[in-house]
Amino acid sequence: GAVVSQHPSRVICKSGTSVKIECRSLDFQATTMFWYRQFPKQSLMLMATSNEGSKATYEQGVEKDKFLINHASLTLSTLTVTSAHPEDSSFYICSARNPGGKSEHEQFFGPGTRLTVL
Amino acid sequence: LAKTTQPISMDSYEGQEVNITCSHNNIATNDYITWYQQFPSQGPRFIIQGYKTKVTNEVASLFIPADRKSSTLSLPRVSLSDTAVYYCLVGDPYTGGFKTIFGAGTRLFVKA
Repeated sequence: GAVVSQHPSRVICKSGTSVKIECRSLDFQATTMFWYRQFPKQSLMLMATSNEGSKATYEQGVEKDKFLINHASLTLSTLTVTSAHPEDSSFYICSARNPGGKSEHEQFFGPGTRLTVL
Repeated sequence: LAKTTQPISMDSYEGQEVNITCSHNNIATNDYITWYQQFPSQGPRFIIQGYKTKVTNEVASLFIPADRKSSTLSLPRVSLSDTAVYYCLVGDPYTGGFKTIFGAGTRLFVKA
């Protein structure tokens, strides 16, 4: 199946700093990518839909100025956690569909990024 | 988006068949049913997807009754490595980019 990568896999930062997480579709083009957050022992929570060439669509309760999303190319979306605080510590996961692929309805998930804010 | 209901957890033993049922009473006509597997600290992995009746692949089967208000994921002869969280999702892949909303999932524990 199609591959989605994330970088970094884990990051530790100080409170107040900003952290950028990259999500790449390695062997297909993705006009739409999704960003999720997952706290321990909980399910994935959809944060936003990243659209190539246009503004991201944020879910209710997610601060767009706090979580900046940029989808500048068909293979790359970035999530920047601005002025991170300890409560932002979580597992961030991105995903993308491959509409031209064999399983066009399948959604491919990245391996996740573990963010720890001290 | 249709809401799904699954058992919170299930236990099984190696070699047994495991069936996880998901309820989705408000499923819409264009909605597909998809199951994902997630191991700790990893992204979810696609298992199987279907629209109606029965779908089978190399790892699982998906049974969907005629009214489509529920579905059952069947894992044949589970092993310890099948211990994971299994999510049932319902959505229309042709609209909204198939925005995927996850429910609580089912934690499957496979014992030796």
